[in-house]
Amino acid sequence: GAVVSQHPSWVICKSGTSVKIECRSLDFQATTMFWYRQFPKQSLMLMATSNEGSKATYEQGVEKDKFLINHASLTLSTLTVTSAHPEDSSFYICSARDSGTANTEAFFGQGTRLTVV
Amino acid sequence: QKEVEQDPGPLSVPEGAIVSLNCTYSNSAFQYFMWYRQYSRKGPELLMYTYSSGNKEDGRFTAQVDKSSKYISLFIRDSQPSDSATYLCAMSSWTGGFKTIFGAGTRLFVKA
Repeated sequence: GAVVSQHPSWVICKSGTSVKIECRSLDFQATTMFWYRQFPKQSLMLMATSNEGSKATYEQGVEKDKFLINHASLTLSTLTVTSAHPEDSSFYICSARDSGTANTEAFFGQGTRLTVV
Repeated sequence: QKEVEQDPGPLSVPEGAIVSLNCTYSNSAFQYFMWYRQYSRKGPELLMYTYSSGNKEDGRFTAQVDKSSKYISLFIRDSQPSDSATYLCAMSSWTGGFKTIFGAGTRLFVKA
């Protein structure tokens, strides 16, 4: 299957700082990528849909000024958690669809475990 | 009512058992159905992808889709301890814009 690389796999940061997470499609182009948040023993919660060359679409209740998304190329989307607080500690996962096919299955990155202290 | 319902388990079975995992859904617009496996602290891994009703087999895994009943299943034959993970169903539609909805995930434990 297609490969999606997410970096870093884990990060610890101080409260008030910002953290950037990268999501790359390695062997396909993705005009659309998705960012999820997952709490322990819970399912994936879609935060936003990242669209190459345009603004991201945020789900209800997700603060767009806190979770900045940039999708500057067909293979890279970034999520920046600004002014992080301990309650932002979570597992963040990205996924991407291959724009070159009509298939809808998404391939996931390895996830990033964010701990804010 | 959630769009996708999935029993979170946990489901515990002995090694070698046949495992049946299920999801129901309410939106008849869903056309594409997926099963993902997620190990602890890892991203989900795509296991099976099916379009519309029918069966699809891949090794020890069989996915079934019954659109008339809005019910999908994943069967695992000869289950192994390495199959212990959380299994998420997901379904997509293009109606009104592309959308994928995930189930809550079922935690499976296969005991040696």
